[in-house]
Amino acid sequence: QVQLQESGPGLVKPSETLSLTCTVSGTFLTSHYWSWIRRPPGKGLEWIGYIHSTGSSSYNPSLKGRVTMSVDTSNDHFSLRLSSVTAADTAVYYCARSGSPYFYYHMDVWGRGAAVTVSS
Amino acid sequence: QSALTQPPSVSGSPGQSVTISCTGTSSDVGFYNRVSWYQQPAGTVPKLIIYEVSNRASGVPDRFSGSKSGTTASLTISGLQAEDEADYYCSSYTTSSTYVFGTGTKVTVL
Repeated sequence: QVQLQESGPGLVKPSETLSLTCTVSGTFLTSHYWSWIRRPPGKGLEWIGYIHSTGSSSYNPSLKGRVTMSVDTSNDHFSLRLSSVTAADTAVYYCARSGSPYFYYHMDVWGRGAAVTVSS
Repeated sequence: QSALTQPPSVSGSPGQSVTISCTGTSSDVGFYNRVSWYQQPAGTVPKLIIYEVSNRASGVPDRFSGSKSGTTASLTISGLQAEDEADYYCSSYTTSSTYVFGTGTKVTVL
């Protein structure tokens, strides 16, 4: 059974960098896209970006310049860094398996989510 | 990229059918059959219910169905049940190799 678990600080100060890690169990990271998605309070889902097991990545243009993702296939985890955060970045952050090139393109396994608040 | 457009809310009585539209562009919904739908009851994690426009995910009841015409995809819930009350989101892969979600629709069972 594939499981994903987000971890990281629940509180980040404005202008600092938000860092989250998603640990994957029950499968290997190889050959898949791994996404970060968030849901701000009272708003809808927003795709942040994905990273492939090879290290290639794609980010939401609205966040480009602030987002960096990385993957560690040896330790079965991938990570998100979002710089220069503001209150607008307060959200529940989800990691999800989001496809495999040429095979499928949807989010079929989700983590339970990590609530992050940006506040001084 | 702009979010796909969904109605903010739809409602129906138990047993009725409701349809949620998802309007995109020729660079996402209209280009690929890579449209998926997610159900998120309050306080829970999003769950995949439809993928590739019309395929039901494992364990999803057959009262959920999906379709697409041009740049608009649709999710229909037939025989609405109380447990179907949730927020629903469409999503599409795009020609820019990104994903985009819809604005979300709250389904209320009267």
